[in-house]
Amino acid sequence: SQTIHQWPATLVQPVGSPLSLECTVEGTSNPNLYWYRQAAGRGLQLLFYSVGIGQISSEVPQNLSASRPQDRQFILSSKKLLLSDSGFYLCAWSVRGFLAGANVLTFGAGSRLTVL
Amino acid sequence: AQTVTQSQPEMSVQEAETVTLSCTYDTSESDYYLFWYKQPPSRQMILVIRQEAYKQQNATENRFSVNFQKAAKSFSLKISDSQLGDAAMYFCAFTQGGSEKLVFGKGTKLTVNP
Repeated sequence: SQTIHQWPATLVQPVGSPLSLECTVEGTSNPNLYWYRQAAGRGLQLLFYSVGIGQISSEVPQNLSASRPQDRQFILSSKKLLLSDSGFYLCAWSVRGFLAGANVLTFGAGSRLTVL
Repeated sequence: AQTVTQSQPEMSVQEAETVTLSCTYDTSESDYYLFWYKQPPSRQMILVIRQEAYKQQNATENRFSVNFQKAAKSFSLKISDSQLGDAAMYFCAFTQGGSEKLVFGKGTKLTVNP
């Protein structure tokens, strides 16, 4: 069965410090991978998605970047965090293409980032 | 661009009663999928139900069912026999057929009263 791991679960960082959130998927190949952010009291905002190694699509211009160094690994980074980067970050994966289960997202447990 | 609107920031229901959460969407496409996701206090997002736009029959999963009105671009979620464990944020989501992206609404917080 497929599983998705996301870490760290909780992170408190000072303004201006770097960030690295990691997400890995097990039990599947060639998944689509996503990073969403959920600000307090708001919906889910798509930040980045990837359909393959090294292929990153950015949805919102901001202080963050994403990388996919391996097929089932997706990393969210920042060189210098801002206060506005605080939020709950969710990694997700989906089956690629038109196979059964395509478009259905399976989410990780999330990472809560507080920037002070 | 596709948009998803959930007009009810909060809803409440008595245990064992039925509640309906509203969702409308905007698209010019004919091939798309709609979803309801649940986010309990643990923050783990869980898929509740999925509807293909080309299917006229409303999707059902146990106590959860949808009322899909394609012409009105409406996709409401009905929860029957509400249970305390149904208390959560519920998000409506849309994706165009062939697209990798899901667009989410802002969510509805459901409270279940004992």
